[in-house]
Amino acid sequence: AQKITQTQPGMFVQEKEAVTLDCTYDTSDPSYGLFWYKQPSSGEMIFLIYQGSYDQQNATEGRYSLNFQKARKSANLVISASQLGDSAMYFCAMREVVSGGGADGLTFGKGTHLIIQP
Amino acid sequence: DTGVSQNPRHKITKRGQNVTFRCDPISEHNRLYWYRQTLGQGPEFLTYFQNEAQLEKSRLLSDRFSAERPKGSFSTLEIQRTEQGDSAMYLCASSLGVALNTGELFFGEGSRLTVL
Repeated sequence: AQKITQTQPGMFVQEKEAVTLDCTYDTSDPSYGLFWYKQPSSGEMIFLIYQGSYDQQNATEGRYSLNFQKARKSANLVISASQLGDSAMYFCAMREVVSGGGADGLTFGKGTHLIIQP
Repeated sequence: DTGVSQNPRHKITKRGQNVTFRCDPISEHNRLYWYRQTLGQGPEFLTYFQNEAQLEKSRLLSDRFSAERPKGSFSTLEIQRTEQGDSAMYLCASSLGVALNTGELFFGEGSRLTVL
């Protein structure tokens, strides 16, 4: 089974609109972390936001927020007031403490290609 | 720039040749990771080091792949007898510590391998 599922291969959004990128995950570990990364065409993976499984509040970082619904195993990324520079691939990733592969490493989804239109 | 540095950025080689990639992590980071990313996919874990010790290797890492981090600083990833299926972006990342809530990985820009 996929550990990280991103169901939107691509999205087109008008500039200045908010956008939600979906991510669901699968784990039996009680302790885990969820991450979102942005990958522009240059190839570098840029860390955006983190949510811990025990965090009570949704994480926020500037225009990025994470809509964490633990019971649904969902960790959607919300980008408010989208900008042209937000156009990129977006990856959801998870780190599991006990049984995750690579111990401290991350398991990534297949990504969503976001295109912001003027 | 004190980020993660990888070189070469691009490598084109013929099938059967050996290639080596180098990664220089952020200087104070004790953990170093190698990932592989093929077109249309997310990065897939290959291996990681804590200091100079290679603590885990993915099943994706066949016998033709070897990684080293001899002094706990830079790392090399060597692919012997390359095959066309090895064509991918090889990403290196580093992190500090093991704390679940602070150990985000910092990635380099990757080394793109094309095997003809």
